[in-house]
Amino acid sequence: KNEVEQSPQNLTAQEGEFITINCSYSVGISALHWLQQHPGGGIVSLFMLSSGKKKHGRLIATINIQEKHSSLHITASHPRDSAVYICAVPSGNYGGSQGNLIFGKGTKLSVKP
Amino acid sequence: EAQVTQNPRYLITVTGKKLTVTCSQNMNHEYMSWYRQDPGLGLRQIYYSMNVEVTDKGDVPEGYKVSRKEKRNFPLILESPSPNQTSLYFCASSFPREGGNSPLHFGNGTRLTVT
Repeated sequence: KNEVEQSPQNLTAQEGEFITINCSYSVGISALHWLQQHPGGGIVSLFMLSSGKKKHGRLIATINIQEKHSSLHITASHPRDSAVYICAVPSGNYGGSQGNLIFGKGTKLSVKP
Repeated sequence: EAQVTQNPRYLITVTGKKLTVTCSQNMNHEYMSWYRQDPGLGLRQIYYSMNVEVTDKGDVPEGYKVSRKEKRNFPLILESPSPNQTSLYFCASSFPREGGNSPLHFGNGTRLTVT
């Protein structure tokens, strides 16, 4: 069964800083999710990626399948980026059921003006 | 508007009184799932469904039931709620694709308190 580790657990940054959040997992997977949970509690999907890199605005997600590691980067951070960022992976091996997801415990980001 | 609708948003109940939390999606998604979120434990999957009449246990299924009689609805049933089921619950849906599910769409959450 997959295990997921996120780091750091908490992160405080000044507006404009470059942010990196890391996610490592133990079992080979076919895809990884990055989620954002706003202070009000709502959850939105930021990325689903299976290889390489994806970019959306100031957010960039990368994944290294061989090293079982993914990073989420935020360029030119802004106070509105303050949220909890969560990664999720399938629980089983590559090719197994993609329905059972395991979540990291999240990284709480606070961006100060 | 494409969305996942959960109801109710808040629910306070007493131990042993059966309750149902509804989840409905209007995107024709095949995959639907339920999660609970607790401080220090993060999100944990309760049950999921890959299609109509197909459901599977997640990591914490004890004390919960689900059904998937039609594609759009995936209710979560607590037959005899207990205080340890006090939590924030989320429903989500997506299209399953080869190589992993498509991005997840989450409902707004249901905060359940069992006294």
